[in-house]
Amino acid sequence: DAKTTQPTSMDCAEGRAANLPCNHSTISGNEYVYWYRQIHSQGPQYIIHGLKNNETNEMASLIITEDRKSSTLILPHATLRDTAVYYCIVRTNTGNQFYFGTGTSLTVIP
Amino acid sequence: KAGVTQTPRYLIKTRGQQVTLSCSPISGHRSVSWYQQTPGQGLQFLFEYFSETQRNKGNFPGRFSGRQFSNSRSEMNVSTLELGDSALYLCASSPTTGMNYGYTFGSGTRLTVV
Repeated sequence: DAKTTQPTSMDCAEGRAANLPCNHSTISGNEYVYWYRQIHSQGPQYIIHGLKNNETNEMASLIITEDRKSSTLILPHATLRDTAVYYCIVRTNTGNQFYFGTGTSLTVIP
Repeated sequence: KAGVTQTPRYLIKTRGQQVTLSCSPISGHRSVSWYQQTPGQGLQFLFEYFSETQRNKGNFPGRFSGRQFSNSRSEMNVSTLELGDSALYLCASSPTTGMNYGYTFGSGTRLTVV
């Protein structure tokens, strides 16, 4: 079962930052937070992951709270091509698989 | 470098038949996982292979099976197809099985059972 809770949908104006929240209050100390996105009918695309510290790459930033019970994915300048379903995943240390949950459907509005 | 390649992209089968899907991971990747995606159930884990060994299996019936070859390529097989097996089947590869490694997904095989 997914260990995360995300809003079902969000809108963001093109060019603005998109901040996607995720709650994972039962996360264990050595479990990673991963973010993937899926554009309709394509395979999920890896965005970023982290354990404790904030992370940044060319696509996004990941902010993890100090207690690790929640995180926020930040797309700094959203474009129309960022419209997708975004999945926040806690990768458990049992089984190694990803539990995707239902994700957040982000719509970037012109 | 080339991504994860899944073949075929689309497939139509009849109830009761069996089907084999293929996945070629990124060169050098030794871990391959399979997922099923349906509108009702979302993305669900099928199984994971590493070095030709199944490391983990999801909650699917025995009709779903897979294997991995020495070159890390993987196949999954579904026998006695049911209408409910219609789905997008996704393969993902990773260099290894560590939790600090992300998986790269292929574009999937869309299976329709009629």
